[in-house]
Amino acid sequence: DSGVTQTPKHLITATGQRVTLRCSPRSGDLSVYWYQQSLDQGLQFLIQYYNGEERAKGNILERFSAQQFPDLHSELNLSSLELGDSALYFCASSVGQGFNTIYFGEGSWLTVV
Amino acid sequence: DQQVKQNSPSLSVQEGRISILNCDYTNSMFDYFLWYKKYPAEGPTFLISISSIKDKNEDGRFTVFLNKSAKHLSLHIVPSQPGDSAVYFCAASARNAGNMLTFGGGTRLMVKP
Repeated sequence: DSGVTQTPKHLITATGQRVTLRCSPRSGDLSVYWYQQSLDQGLQFLIQYYNGEERAKGNILERFSAQQFPDLHSELNLSSLELGDSALYFCASSVGQGFNTIYFGEGSWLTVV
Repeated sequence: DQQVKQNSPSLSVQEGRISILNCDYTNSMFDYFLWYKKYPAEGPTFLISISSIKDKNEDGRFTVFLNKSAKHLSLHIVPSQPGDSAVYFCAASARNAGNMLTFGGGTRLMVKP
């Protein structure tokens, strides 16, 4: 158990819909990261927040957005869902924003039908 | 453009022997490298890391070697155990990119009893 909690674990939704994935970082961690793992793409970095502020952006689509709240939990919002958005979405956290070990949650399986 | 590559999608090793997993990178700005292990339906678990000021880091049965001139790193597992069977990802980050990790595509290790 990494200490990073993600909900829901599984989600099935229809194309065009919007979903929200939730992440609670490890106690004391200020940085939260979102990664996407699809079958043919490996682990792709989406976005990073540090203490409520966006710090780095990766291959995140404009239909996706994220935020980190004052209690440090984070949400990833996925809208206008397409079949290709089906993937495993991981949240991870670390103490700081520099060279720290990143710990991953168990992921949220999103299936778009 | 894959900045981190794991050219072997799978590796099969006999229990008790050495497992060697390889990783190549192209971005010369990378200066921190990590290995993660991933079981099906679980998040990646941190194994071991190495910074670019070192060429070797050891933790129990796991040793990571870094060859900066060749832009190559490897993970050695000695002795290999059936419980080591998993997908192994190498990841890299650059100081000027904070803690954003770029992952390789993974290598599936199978340790046969």
